[in-house]
This record gives sequence, C-alpha cells and structure tokens, in this order.
Amino acid sequence: AQSVAQPEDQVNVAEGNPLTVKCTYSVSGNPYLFWYVQYPNRGLQFLLKYITGDNLVKGSYGFEAEFNKSQTSFHLKKPSALVSDSALYFCAVRDGNRDDKIIFGKGTRLHILP
Amino acid sequence: DAGVIQSPRHEVTEMGQEVTLRCKPISGHDYLFWYRQTMMRGLELLIYFNNNVPIDDSGMPEDRFSAKMPNASFSTLKIQPSEPRDSAVYFCASSLRATEWDEAFFGQGTRLTVV
Repeated sequence: AQSVAQPEDQVNVAEGNPLTVKCTYSVSGNPYLFWYVQYPNRGLQFLLKYITGDNLVKGSYGFEAEFNKSQTSFHLKKPSALVSDSALYFCAVRDGNRDDKIIFGKGTRLHILP
Repeated sequence: DAGVIQSPRHEVTEMGQEVTLRCKPISGHDYLFWYRQTMMRGLELLIYFNNNVPIDDSGMPEDRFSAKMPNASFSTLKIQPSEPRDSAVYFCASSLRATEWDEAFFGQGTRLTVV
C-alpha cells in the first residue's frame, strides 16, 4: 500500500527567502505525485503534479517540485516566499500501476514571516 | 462547471442523531473520494468510488459510517448514530479516468460538530 510522509508539522520562512516543504513517499508501482494547498476554511487546491518526464515540475503561484526517484522524495519549493503563501500544504501519491486511491500526507503548515 | 459541491457547509447535531452529508462531483469525473480531516489525524481517506461502485471502504472507521453513490452526479456519507468524536471536516473530491491519472478536485467541505 502507498504512503506519504511529511516530516515537518510546521515550517517558518522569512518573506523573500527560498522555501522548501519536504515529502517522501512509498508505492509499489510508479508514483504519481501531487501537491495541494489549503487556506483557512477552504477545500484543498491543486498546485502541481508529477506523472512522468522532467523531474522538475512547475505549478501554480510560482511553486515547483522536484521528483527524486532514488530518495523517493518530492519536495515542494519556491525561490522567494510571500506572506500570502502561508497555508497548509499537503503532498499526495497515487500508485501509477494500479487503479487506486489518492493518499495524502498529514500536511505541513507553512508560516511566512514578514 | 461549478466544481465539486458539498452540502451542508456546516452541521451541528446532537449525539445519537443521524447525519447525512451530500456531494455532487464534477460532471464527467469517474472517481469520487470521501475524506475526513482532523487536527490529530490529518486527511484520511474514508472510501472511494469508481463509476458509482465502491472500490475501497477500508478507511471507514466503523459500521456507523456508510456511503452511497446512486448515480454519477450524487453521493452521500451517512453517520448513524453520530458521536462527538465524529466531529471533523468532511471533504468530497472527484477526479477523471484513472488512465489520465488526473488530480482530484475538492469541495469546500462540511464542518460537522456533534455535541
């Protein structure tokens, strides 16, 4: 069965600095990976995904993520953080070899300090 | 399309009462997922459907929980009887065919409070 780990409950970054939110995964087949963001009292919004191809994927709001197969990681990054990036971020995985569910990590709360 | 629509947005009920949450997925989506979000446990998958058929309900916590999808445009999640520990935000999400491995689109959620 697939699983996702987000090792940090919270990440604090100063505005203008680069940010990284970590994610590692485990699947038996090919990993299809996703990042979502959740603002207060809202549903989850899709940011970006990796299915195949270039290991560096770009998504909404200037975010990008790098797929690393050897480290089974899919860290979310942004070169320069904005205060408005403060939110709850979820990593998710789907097993590409199976007709299967989407499993989410527990989430990482990102605080961008002005 | 208006996106995934859930109702009600908020529900407050007394312990022991029946609660029904509703979801209308995006038209044309083959998959429908029900998730529960709590501070302690994060986002848990309860059950998911493919073409209206329940595929995996291993995340449903107890027999008090049941879900149905009578047609492609409607699903319900029912809790009977409800308990205070069921208090959470319940999300419905839908996605396209598995062959496209598309992302899931989420509704706004139903915040359930059982007192």
